[in-house]
Amino acid sequence: DAKTTQPPSMDCAEGRAANLPCNHSTISGNEYVYWYRQIHSQGPQYIIHGLKNNETNEMASLIITEDRKSSTLILPHATLRDTAVYYCIVRVNTGNQFYFGTGTSLTVIP
Amino acid sequence: GAVVSQHPSRVICKSGTSVKIECRSLDFQATTMFWYRQFPKQSLMLMATSNEGSKATYEQGVEKDKFLINHASLTLSTLTVTSAHPEDSSFYICSASDRAKGYTEAFFGQGTRLTVV
Repeated sequence: DAKTTQPPSMDCAEGRAANLPCNHSTISGNEYVYWYRQIHSQGPQYIIHGLKNNETNEMASLIITEDRKSSTLILPHATLRDTAVYYCIVRVNTGNQFYFGTGTSLTVIP
Repeated sequence: GAVVSQHPSRVICKSGTSVKIECRSLDFQATTMFWYRQFPKQSLMLMATSNEGSKATYEQGVEKDKFLINHASLTLSTLTVTSAHPEDSSFYICSASDRAKGYTEAFFGQGTRLTVV
């Protein structure tokens, strides 16, 4: 079962940073935080993951609070192509299943 | 990144017939693959875990005799929807992780849109 809580929807102006929050208050010490996104009628796309340190890649940044009970995905300069449903998932990093929650539907507005 | 390919991308079948969906890892070995189902405006629901060379593990509430899974090689898993009915119409998605990279990421196929008429 999903162990995360996300707002159902958010809007963001094109060119601005999109900050997507996620609560995972029951996360275990060996569970990672993963972010995926799904554009309409496509398979989910991997964005980023982390354990306790902040992470950054070419797509986004992941900020994890010190107590690891919540995190924020940051898209630094949102474009219209970033409109998608964003899923935050906690998972033990050893090949276990990904259980998806309801996600956040992000709409980037021109 | 690694590539997972599903085939077909869309299929329409008559009620009572069976449909097979293929999931291939194109550039890595996947001892484990996962099958998901997604209804309109809903999230992905895990159906089963497909293990290479052994029986699949099904999530609670998923009928194993209706959704047959075969994982005969390290790069191919198939999902067969048997005796399909209109309520089986859905978006089916597979995923796989790279054993060589410690299963750290799951790569998803593009999905198969099944319509049962």
